[in-house]
Amino acid sequence: DAGVIQSPRHEVTEMGQEVTLRCKPISGHDYLFWYRQTMMRGLELLIYFNNNVPIDDSGMPEDRFSAKMPNASFSTLKIQPSEPRDSAVYFCASTRPGQGLTEAFFGQGTRLTVV
Amino acid sequence: AQSVTQLDSQVPVFEEAPVELRCNYSSSVSVYLFWYVQYPNQGLQLLLKYLSGSTLVKGINGFEAEFNKSQTSFHLRKPSVHISDTAEYFCAVTPFNTGNQFYFGTGTSLTVIP
Repeated sequence: DAGVIQSPRHEVTEMGQEVTLRCKPISGHDYLFWYRQTMMRGLELLIYFNNNVPIDDSGMPEDRFSAKMPNASFSTLKIQPSEPRDSAVYFCASTRPGQGLTEAFFGQGTRLTVV
Repeated sequence: AQSVTQLDSQVPVFEEAPVELRCNYSSSVSVYLFWYVQYPNQGLQLLLKYLSGSTLVKGINGFEAEFNKSQTSFHLRKPSVHISDTAEYFCAVTPFNTGNQFYFGTGTSLTVIP
């Protein structure tokens, strides 16, 4: 398996623009997580899905952030409008605890810079 | 609620010296415990995990960790570090049977000095 695939790896955008980050989880994994990593806050859980359904989005910082999982193999995290303080590395991770798998597998991340 | 505390934000150590990265956790339920490593510009990859059984867990790259339930700790150790061990290390917990959320510490930056 290719692992968790995120795109793009790097994104530079201007303040006010819409940004869409993409994630393809490992096939068969039924949990998907979106994290944000910054120097100030470390790793923060933004939202997670189980079987494509959002379970907990309490970590989403503002209404400007939204996430979807239209099917088991694809998820998006959208920021609209983007702000400089959204600059961070965004990670997607997946796992399948129901089959005895306990750890999360992470993608390589998307480094977002909002100027 | 769960929380993870990594007591040292930065740990410099000379090559071939031993190292210990400390992790304490707080949880009202039983948890699984993990250590992840993040190399520059990379995602997190699993070093080792504790689920049950022997409290001493061995992982990849010569790392090991010991679970101490009474002290709610899960410290990571390596007897002799290499330059290639320079990375960020994260301790994490996930509670049993509660939706599989992962709670991460703030990370420890390990720098191995030649």
